[in-house]
Amino acid sequence: DIQMTQSPSTLSASVGDRVTITCRASQSISSWLAWYQQKPGKAPKLLIYKASSLESGVPSRFSGSGSGTEFTLTISSLQPDDFATYYCQHRSTFGPGTKVDIK
Amino acid sequence: QVQLQQWGAGLLKPSETLSLTCAVYGGSFSGYYWSWIRQPPGKGLEWIGEINHSGSTNYNPSLKSRVTISVDTSKNQFSLKLSSVTAADTAVYYCARERITMVRGVIIRTYSFDYWGQGTLVTVSS
Repeated sequence: DIQMTQSPSTLSASVGDRVTITCRASQSISSWLAWYQQKPGKAPKLLIYKASSLESGVPSRFSGSGSGTEFTLTISSLQPDDFATYYCQHRSTFGPGTKVDIK
Repeated sequence: QVQLQQWGAGLLKPSETLSLTCAVYGGSFSGYYWSWIRQPPGKGLEWIGEINHSGSTNYNPSLKSRVTISVDTSKNQFSLKLSSVTAADTAVYYCARERITMVRGVIIRTYSFDYWGQGTLVTVSS
């Protein structure tokens, strides 16, 4: 089975900061990776699919990159609405999540 | 606008069978895979399984022996049954649609989920 890891598990940042979250797969997954944002009590929201494709309606400050085993989600300028938990996902496996909170 | 609306019993006793249904409104039902995903309180996401409009299924190996996902195309609905539940099955359960892309008229799966139900908290307790 392919395992997904994320780092860091928690990230403290300020509005306007550039934020990067890393997701690693235990073996190559090509570009089959998605990123989600989840807020408390809500369903996850798709941000990025196929590693770097921005989902419709998602602000352009979100971007994804990577292929093979290492991937990144970048928020170019953190906004108040972005404080949430972020998950990567490959097919049937989700990463453990990265919580972005206020510094 | 696509909407997924789900319902089912929220409180079960150990050994009972969890049963949830998800109705799809707006958009096409065929051509997609439809999944169930769960999230224990305060924890991460776990994919349970999927089905397409033809009834083809795939299940998480860790749950396969207890899971059945079925589809009713006449109602644009799909359902989850999880048997012999224990406290470890306490979670918020979500239904979700897999995002597809079209390349030269061919449907390509992306293995990501673009529309989600509102979630149902299922608690297993004696």
